[in-house]
Amino acid sequence: AQKVTQAQTEISVVEKEDVTLDCVYETRDTTYYLFWYKQPPSGELVFLIRRNSFDEQNEISGRYSWNFQKSTSSFNFTITASQVVDSAVYFCALSEAEAAGNKLTFGGGTRVLVKP
Amino acid sequence: DVKVTQSSRYLVKRTGEKVFLECVQDMDHENMFWYRQDPGLGLRLIYFSYDVKMKEKGDIPEGYSVSREKKERFSLILESASTNQTSMYLCASRASGSYEQYFGPGTRLTVT
Repeated sequence: AQKVTQAQTEISVVEKEDVTLDCVYETRDTTYYLFWYKQPPSGELVFLIRRNSFDEQNEISGRYSWNFQKSTSSFNFTITASQVVDSAVYFCALSEAEAAGNKLTFGGGTRVLVKP
Repeated sequence: DVKVTQSSRYLVKRTGEKVFLECVQDMDHENMFWYRQDPGLGLRLIYFSYDVKMKEKGDIPEGYSVSREKKERFSLILESASTNQTSMYLCASRASGSYEQYFGPGTRLTVT
């Protein structure tokens, strides 16, 4: 069975600090997809990134970067020079290629609070 | 842009009432999903549908049913609401051949 663990329930930082969100996953499939979503106070989940299990290249998008390591089953997310607008709940999710409906399994989420 | 809308942002119902949560998407997506979100538990899948009139149970279907009579609309039904169904409910849709799900704003349901 697939499982996603986000050990950090809440992180508080001061603006301009870097923050790293941890995500560890479990799966028996060799083909799977990993995601990060952002949920701002408005409630709607916003898709940030998808990585497939065959692509371990790290990715950078502006102040966001992702570190995918199959050896440790981790897919960590770093926000560089955090801003108040980054305050949100962030979810890591996993989808197995063979799962019915390609359903997503979510971690418990990490609440990030960026103080001015 | 994909637009997923949900009929209510906030809803208060009494125990035993029948509750309908509606979700509509405008991008002709084949797949639609209902999740509930609880603190510390993340999002958990209740039901999903991959076509009109087709449905599959998710991880926590007990106490819920769904209806999909039209491609764009997916309804979640609580036949007899209970206090343990107080939660945030999120609808999502996905195109076949794609892996990204697009979410609605959520309905915060309180059952008293």
